[in-house]
Amino acid sequence: DIMMTQSPASLSVSPGERATLSCRASQSVSSKLGWYQHKPGQVPRLLIYGASIRATGVPARFTGNGSGTEFTLTISSLRSEDVAVYYCQQYNNRPPWTFGQGTKVEIK
Amino acid sequence: EVQLVESGGALVQPGGSLRLSCVASEFSVSDNFMTWVRQAPGKGLEWLSIIYTDVTGGRTYYADSVVGRFTISRDSSQNTLYLQMNSLRADDTAVYYCGSGPGTVDYWGQGTLVTVSS
Repeated sequence: DIMMTQSPASLSVSPGERATLSCRASQSVSSKLGWYQHKPGQVPRLLIYGASIRATGVPARFTGNGSGTEFTLTISSLRSEDVAVYYCQQYNNRPPWTFGQGTKVEIK
Repeated sequence: EVQLVESGGALVQPGGSLRLSCVASEFSVSDNFMTWVRQAPGKGLEWLSIIYTDVTGGRTYYADSVVGRFTISRDSSQNTLYLQMNSLRADDTAVYYCGSGPGTVDYWGQGTLVTVSS
C-alpha cells in the first residue's frame, strides 16, 4: 500500500501570513492527490483534488501543487477560520486509498 | 442537496459484530462510488473501503486493517450503503463516516460512533 507522510505535524502561523503544508507519497501517485480540511466537531471537507484543482466553493487562498511523490498545500493568507487539521489522500490507480496523518494548523 | 446519514453505531463487546447503514438522499448509491472512512479518538482519518458503481462492476476494496473482517455492500432498493463489521477489536473504536467519490471523498455523512469495549 502507498504510505502518505505529512509534515510538519503542527504549524503555528500569524493571521495574514502564509502556511505551507507538505505531503509525500511512498511511490508516485501521479496527480491523484486530494486535500481535506477537518475542523473540530465538523465533517471533513474536500478542498483540492487532482493535486491542484479547487473543489466547489473553496477560497482562492488555498492552492495545491505537486505531482509524483511531492505535494504542497498553501494557504496564502491565513484566517482564523482556517484553523483545522489538514489531510492529504492519494487515490492513484487502484484502492486501497490512503490518508496522511494530518497537519494541525493553529493561529499564532 | 445530497445527504448521507449514517446510523447503527453502538457500544459493542470485543469480538462482536455490528452493521452500519448510510441512507442517501438526492443521490443514488448504485450510480456513485461509495466509501467508508473512520477516525479513532485523537487520531487521523483512515480510509477503510470502497464499492464501485454498478456499471463499473461493483468491485469492493478494503484497507489491510479491516480486510476479512469488514464487508461493504449496498441495497439499491433502499438506496442504502452498509458496512458489516465482524470480529471487532478495541482499536476499531472510532467515528465512522460514509462518503462518496471515485477517488476523493466529495460528500460526507455526519458520522456514527462505534465503541468497542467490555
